[in-house]
Amino acid sequence: NAGVTQTPKFQVLKTGQSMTLQCAQDMNHNSMYWYRQDPGMGLRLIYYSASEGTTDKGEVPNGYNVSRLNKREFSLRLESAAPSQTSVYFCASVDRGRDQPQHFGDGTRLSIL
Amino acid sequence: GDSVTQMEGPVTLSEEAFLTINCTYTATGYPSLFWYVQYPGEGLQLLLKATKADDKGSNKGFEATYRKETTSFHLEKGSVQVSDSAVYFCALSDRDFGNEKLTFGTGTRLTIIP
Repeated sequence: NAGVTQTPKFQVLKTGQSMTLQCAQDMNHNSMYWYRQDPGMGLRLIYYSASEGTTDKGEVPNGYNVSRLNKREFSLRLESAAPSQTSVYFCASVDRGRDQPQHFGDGTRLSIL
Repeated sequence: GDSVTQMEGPVTLSEEAFLTINCTYTATGYPSLFWYVQYPGEGLQLLLKATKADDKGSNKGFEATYRKETTSFHLEKGSVQVSDSAVYFCALSDRDFGNEKLTFGTGTRLTIIP
C-alpha cells in the first residue's frame, strides 16, 4: 500500500530558483492538501483541493501555486524560492465524509540558500 | 477562527511513567478532534479521534476524551514505552462537509528514557 507518495524527499535550492513538489495518492480520495511544518508552528495549510478541478488558498498561500492534475495528483510549485520557504512540506489526502482522518506522505525537506 | 493550543514541549519521561499532554481548542461549531503522531523522518499518522462530546478515542494504550464543557482533548497513557518517543499533534476538523480542513496545534515532542 503506497498511500500518499511525495517526491523528492530532499531538495536544496538557491534563492530565486523554481521547483515543483509532486504528490500522488492511490486511495481514490477526493480531497488533497499541502502543508508546511516549521519548528514551533505546527502544520500550516498552504493550499487544498476539495475535488478534482478545484483549488483553494489555505492559511499561508503567498509564494506558492498548485495544480490538481487529476484525482490522484496534486503538485505544489515555488516560482521564485525564498529563504523563508525553507521548511518541511507535507501532502495529505482524505476521503470525503465526516470525520475521516487525513493520510500524510513522508514529507519533502526543502532548503533555500 | 478555529484554533488549537497544546502543551509546550519537549517532554521527557522515564519508561513506564504516566503521560498527559494537554490540548484545548476554540471552534465556532462542533468539531471532530484528533491526535496525530509523527515518528522521526516520517509523516503524521492518526493516533485516535473523537467526533462528539464525551466520546473517548483510544489506540495503542493512548486515550483522549472529548470534553465540550472545558473545550479539551487531553492525551493520556498509563505506562509509556521508549517506542512512544515522537512528536504528538492535537488537531480539530472543520465540520464543513466536503471540505475537511484540519487545524493543528504546535506539537509536543515526547522523549522516553529507558
